[in-house]
Amino acid sequence: QQQVKQSPQSLIVQKGGISIINCAYENTAFDYFPWYQQFPGKGPALLIAIRPDVSEKKEGRFTISFNKSAKQFSLHIMDSQPGDSATYFCAASSGNQFYFGTGTSLTVIP
Amino acid sequence: GAGVSQSPSNKVTEKGKDVELRCDPISGHTALYWYRQSLGQGLEFLIYFQGNSAPDKSGLPSDRFSAERTGGSVSTLTIQRTQQEDSAVYLCASSLAATGGGSYGYTFGSGTRLTVV
Repeated sequence: QQQVKQSPQSLIVQKGGISIINCAYENTAFDYFPWYQQFPGKGPALLIAIRPDVSEKKEGRFTISFNKSAKQFSLHIMDSQPGDSATYFCAASSGNQFYFGTGTSLTVIP
Repeated sequence: GAGVSQSPSNKVTEKGKDVELRCDPISGHTALYWYRQSLGQGLEFLIYFQGNSAPDKSGLPSDRFSAERTGGSVSTLTIQRTQQEDSAVYLCASSLAATGGGSYGYTFGSGTRLTVV
């Protein structure tokens, strides 16, 4: 059973556009929602994370929007750049058990 | 070291051989995880170590897979009698133990790319 459902599987955005990746979860015990960015040949790297007591967190061009009642959260990348082209994974955790989405391959076209 | 270190970075082995993959976590991180990532796929949980507790082996795909963590630090993932379907990138991650205040993020290593020919 997929604990975290992620969409879309792939995304193509023009440079300067907004990239939006969505995730949904079922387990209300989850208390930490990170996003990871992975470049080819590298391990995933923590990009930004949010806890359920806030509805939005922004770090530079990256924003997480969190909807606790809908059990959904999303990553917004503003002013997308070719260097943002990577695979993005959402995750949810309770304690030390992490559950990952299936990933979104983002391509930003110059 | 500053990050999670994995070795080797690449491993090509013949079908039927045993392989050992090594992970050096960040110093002080008591939680250590192994994941498998097949080409273009997501992250498949394999096993989780937390301090001196019994490991969570629920993700190991078969009894050909095993892992140990010595002295609460370095971990070795062993795959016996490798099969072609074992070809994947094996990722190790470590984190601080979760406390009552919530979870902590993982730090991943760069992975070991295993190719079984």
